[in-house]
Amino acid sequence: SQQGEEDPQALSIQEGENATMNCSYKTSINNLQWYRQNSGRGLVHLILIRSNEREKHSGRLRVTLDTSKKSSSLLITASRAADTASYFCATDLSDSGGSNYKLTFGKGTLLTVNP
Amino acid sequence: DVKVTQSSRYLVKRTGEKVFLECVQDMDHENMFWYRQDPGLGLRLIYFSYDVKMKEKGDIPEGYSVSREKKERFSLILESASTNQTSMYLCASSLLAGVPYEQYFGPGTRLTVT
Repeated sequence: SQQGEEDPQALSIQEGENATMNCSYKTSINNLQWYRQNSGRGLVHLILIRSNEREKHSGRLRVTLDTSKKSSSLLITASRAADTASYFCATDLSDSGGSNYKLTFGKGTLLTVNP
Repeated sequence: DVKVTQSSRYLVKRTGEKVFLECVQDMDHENMFWYRQDPGLGLRLIYFSYDVKMKEKGDIPEGYSVSREKKERFSLILESASTNQTSMYLCASSLLAGVPYEQYFGPGTRLTVT
């Protein structure tokens, strides 16, 4: 079952612009994570935000979490061509019967940063 | 750096063959996972293991089995490969059972079943 859904499915911007991707989920979570995947490769963890946090920063990344709306956003500032990748949100459910190390991934947002 | 390696980047097998996909992690992680990734469907969990010889079904276990005889190694087995198992297979590991740490992924194996 799909828990997280990213929006938009695809995003194309110019180098230097900011990119914002959104993730919505359906049920209560312990935390939400964002991953990046370069074409044809494995996923790389970017950032984790816990359910009691509202905002988190890591370099050019800013993640927000609104548990009342069951949504998160990932902002990449001053984008570079190297940021071109697919971005996934992943959630672990707070009511998962003890298997809370399982993550459920969305389908991803494909970001293209044009030089 | 955590390293998760997968035995092959590309694999071509025939329908009905038994296929082994191997995954090794070098950071003493307790949890290991197998996903498949298909266009438009995202990542789907096949099986995971939280300890040696322990395994649990994920969302799509049908047609697959797994083996974890050593902590660092988690194998995915396709008993009789079928064309609908053509996919990208991703292995991942994470630190502790019962704790939602980040997952570390291998580079993936692109399997084609003809």
